[in-house]
Amino acid sequence: DVKVTQSSRYLVKRTGEKVFLECVQDMDHENMFWYRQDPGLGLRLIYFSYDVKMKEKGDIPEGYSVSREKKERFSLILESASTNQTSMYLCASSFGGQTYNSPLHFGNGTRLTVT
Amino acid sequence: DAKTTQPNSMESNEEEPVHLPCNHSTISGTDYIHWYRQLPSQGPEYVIHGLTSNVNNRMASLAIAEDRKSSTLILHRATLRDAAVYYCILARRTGANSKLTFGKGITLSVRP
Repeated sequence: DVKVTQSSRYLVKRTGEKVFLECVQDMDHENMFWYRQDPGLGLRLIYFSYDVKMKEKGDIPEGYSVSREKKERFSLILESASTNQTSMYLCASSFGGQTYNSPLHFGNGTRLTVT
Repeated sequence: DAKTTQPNSMESNEEEPVHLPCNHSTISGTDYIHWYRQLPSQGPEYVIHGLTSNVNNRMASLAIAEDRKSSTLILHRATLRDAAVYYCILARRTGANSKLTFGKGITLSVRP
């Protein structure tokens, strides 16, 4: 089974801190994604990557950046955390080539609280 | 991007079939229909996807209307573990990198 592992289940950070959320997948998937999930808003795509060192903006990239130096690892970076970035963050991966025809495999999420 | 419309919630009884509807009236010919579900305190889990023909797997069946403007996820025998939020999503075939946009989903409750 595909495993997508997010480094922290819960995280508490202060406003203005630089925050790194790490995600690792073990199935050699080309595509990786970062979503955030908020009550009443569903899942919203922040960034995705379809290859090492490649990235594309999703629907809500403002205030975030990403890094993909190795195929198995995709990092989400909050340059200066703000309280409106308090949320559940979900990482996902999928087999490359046809993202429209490949299942997404999700991690169990990181609940980030910014105080 | 084409959008999907789902009821907010649905209830079912344990061991009975469940039909979860999804409307996607603005679907294009290259949009794949995906279903995911999310159990409490977990990330979403892939259920099934298809393009035009009905699809079956070990978890569920996907029935796609002939005009593709709607689809139905069928759980053949609901269990308490099937209580979750179910998302119906369209993934457009535009190059290799289409993104999946999740809506609010439908919350399924299963009565013992």
